[in-house]
Amino acid sequence: QQQVKQSPQSLIVQKGGISIINCAYENTAFDYFPWYQQFPGKGPALLIAIRPDVSEKKEGRFTISFNKSAKQFSLHIMDSQPGDSATYFCAASSGTGANNLFFGTGTRLTVIP
Amino acid sequence: DAGITQSPRHKVTETGTPVTLRCHQTENHRYMYWYRQDPGHGLRLIHYSYGVKDTDKGEVSDGYSVSRSKTEDFLLTLESATSSQTSVYFCAIAASQETQYFGPGTRLLVL
Repeated sequence: QQQVKQSPQSLIVQKGGISIINCAYENTAFDYFPWYQQFPGKGPALLIAIRPDVSEKKEGRFTISFNKSAKQFSLHIMDSQPGDSATYFCAASSGTGANNLFFGTGTRLTVIP
Repeated sequence: DAGITQSPRHKVTETGTPVTLRCHQTENHRYMYWYRQDPGHGLRLIHYSYGVKDTDKGEVSDGYSVSRSKTEDFLLTLESATSSQTSVYFCAIAASQETQYFGPGTRLLVL
């Protein structure tokens, strides 16, 4: 049973556009929500992360929006570039013990020049 | 890849044979993890370790065992490989209850 549900499965965006990827969770014990970026043939790399005490976190062109009451969070990529073409994974953990992460199924983003 | 190496990077094996994958870190991080990545499933935790000789099961641990005899090495063993274990396996490390850093992955094909 998928603890974190991610959509869409794939996304095509024009260069300069906004890419939006959504995730939802059920476990209210989750309190750490990272996003990972993965290029073909590489391991996932942490992009940005948020804790539920804030509703938004921005790092450069990447923004996480967090809605605690709806148990949803999303990644926004502003001014999307062809170099952003990758697979993006959301994840969640309870932040205790070994901080085991539960991942979404991934979104393959393609940015068209 | 944050001081993490995985070996082998590619392996083809036959059903029923044992397989051991190695994760080696140079960061001296406490936590180490093994995940498998499959289309439509994202990454799923197999086993993890929170110290030398301290390990525990993850979400999809059946058919896998692990060992950690040194801080820097975390071994994943498929006791009797099956075709359903064909996957890409990633090791990750973490210094604390925050960022996990992933290795480059091992692509395993079980025929």
